[in-house]
Amino acid sequence: NAGVTQTPKFQVLKTGQSMTLQCAQDMNHEYMSWYRQDPGMGLRLIHYSVGAGITDQGEVPNGYNVSRSTTEDFPLRLLSAAPSQTSVYFCASSYSGPARQQYFGPGTRLTVT
Amino acid sequence: DQQVKQNSPSLSVQEGRISILNCDYTNSMFDYFLWYKKYPAEGPTFLISISSIKDKNEDGRFTVFLNKSAKHLSLHIVPSQPGDSAVYFCAASRTTGTASKLTFGTGTRLQVTL
Repeated sequence: NAGVTQTPKFQVLKTGQSMTLQCAQDMNHEYMSWYRQDPGMGLRLIHYSVGAGITDQGEVPNGYNVSRSTTEDFPLRLLSAAPSQTSVYFCASSYSGPARQQYFGPGTRLTVT
Repeated sequence: DQQVKQNSPSLSVQEGRISILNCDYTNSMFDYFLWYKKYPAEGPTFLISISSIKDKNEDGRFTVFLNKSAKHLSLHIVPSQPGDSAVYFCAASRTTGTASKLTFGTGTRLQVTL
């Protein structure tokens, strides 16, 4: 049981480049979410999904895209990277929603130059 | 608009003593509160939670207290251990329709000294 996995662990992008952060869970959780953590800001919700085929915006969705074609996978796409997207990104999942225990991945540290 | 606030960025406590971490919120619609612990270079891990219909929840050395009238919750760790040194995030959830979102505070770095 691997829990929540994220790839890559580190990434450096140039402004304007696009990329996809991968997230997968093997716990058959319906709820998955993406957060970014910035110094002094805590964790902020980017997008979330309550099940395959259903996604919605969080607090800071601009510049990011998500899809949920399977229960297991929830990739986060950066459409055109900007320096303001330099952050640590965490994916999380839970059985029934964020009011219950969420399991977080180890994070992806992204730097945009 | 910071709906969940942790006003103490850091806290230092001696081993064996009580650690008290505080959290304030502004949205009275929050109905579930959680604490997460985070070590460097790792994802947060769930610690303890409390529903808005309760005022206390206990799990081993960890107790969370909720004061709804003051919109305040606190996490008590007794006794504190060196392994408790981490960043602690308070989070609040509001269920809207079929989905709910989690709002995090900015975190308090706890250092437990020998």
